[in-house]
Parts: sequence; structure tokens; C-alpha cells
Amino acid sequence: AQSVAQPEDQVNVAEGNPLTVKCTYSVSGNPYLFWYVQYPNRGLQFLLKYITGDNLVKGSYGFEAEFNKSQTSFHLKKPSALVSDSALYFCAVNSGNTPLVFGKGTRLSVIA
Amino acid sequence: DADVTQTPRNRITKTGKRIMLECSQTKGHDRMYWYRQDPGLGLRLIYYSFDVKDINKGEISDGYSVSRQAQAKFSLSLESAIPNQTALYFCATSDATPELFFGEGSRLTVL
Repeated sequence: AQSVAQPEDQVNVAEGNPLTVKCTYSVSGNPYLFWYVQYPNRGLQFLLKYITGDNLVKGSYGFEAEFNKSQTSFHLKKPSALVSDSALYFCAVNSGNTPLVFGKGTRLSVIA
Repeated sequence: DADVTQTPRNRITKTGKRIMLECSQTKGHDRMYWYRQDPGLGLRLIYYSFDVKDINKGEISDGYSVSRQAQAKFSLSLESAIPNQTALYFCATSDATPELFFGEGSRLTVL
């Protein structure tokens, strides 16, 4: 069975500081990994994905994530956080022809 | 216009009532999904459909049913709503790749 763990319910960071939102996964087979962001009263928006190739993936709004197969992780990072980055972030995974499985979400709060 | 449209966006109903949430998409995708979001639980899959003739149960299908009326339309029904079905419901679509495109959500409150 596929699963995703986001170990932090909440991450607080000061504006201008680097941010990391953690994600670990469990699948059988090669993983497809995704990050989505949800702003208040909105649907989920795609940020970035790892399918194959370079382990460092760059996405929207200056975010990036690194696929680490040995640690089964796909942490989301940004070098300099903005207040506007405050939102709910979801990691998701699948393998093969199955629907995405989502983590429970991490609420990011960037403080000015 | 949004690529994935959900109606209604908000609905308050009473226990025992039948409710239908509708989803339509203009992306031309074959695959459609219904997820439920609850605080602290993330998104959980209710049902999914890979084409018009295909319907599959997800993780939490009990108490729900779906209908795939056309490639572009996928509706979710609660035959007899109960308070613990109060949640935010999302429809999503995809092509053969797993990347999902989401609607804006339907907030359902069951009293």
C-alpha cells in the first residue's frame, strides 16, 4: 500500500529565512511524487513533481524539492520565505496506475 | 471559466437528506476523482473513474455513490447524509499521468 507522512502539522518561519516542509513516503515500485499548495477557501494548486531524472526538482513560486530514494523523502524547500507563502501544503505519491495518495498536510506560517 | 467546476460551492443540509455534488471539466481528461478533506486528515479518496465505463471505490466509499454521466461529468451522491459527512469535497481530473487538477471545492455541512 502507498502512504505519505508529513511529520509536522505546522511550520513557522520568519520572512526571508529558508523553509523546509518534510515528506516521507512508502510505495512498492518507483514513486511519482507531488507537492500541492492550498490557500484559504481555494482548491489545491500544483507546485512541482518528481517522475524521473534529476533528483532536484524546481517548481512554481521559487519552490524546489529533492528526491532522496535511500531516505524515501521528498522535502519541499525555498531559500527565502515570503509572507504570501503561508498556506497548507500537501505531499502526494503514487506508483503505477493508481490515484494519488495524500499526506495530512503541513500548515506553513511565514511571519513578517 | 474554471477548468474543473464544482456545484454547489456551499451546502447546508439535514441528517437523512439526499445530496448530490456535481463536477464538470473542460480539460478533456478521461480520469476523474472525488476526494474528501477533513482538518488534520488531509485528502482521502472516495471514488475514482478512469473512463466513462469505469468506477472504482476509494479509501472511504461507504455512504457515498457516484455517477459518470459523460467524459466531462462526475457526480457524487450522499443517499442519506449524516453529520460526520460534514467536510470539504474536491473533484479532480487527470490524464494518464498522475498529476491532478482540482476544482475549488464543495463545502458540505450536515446538521
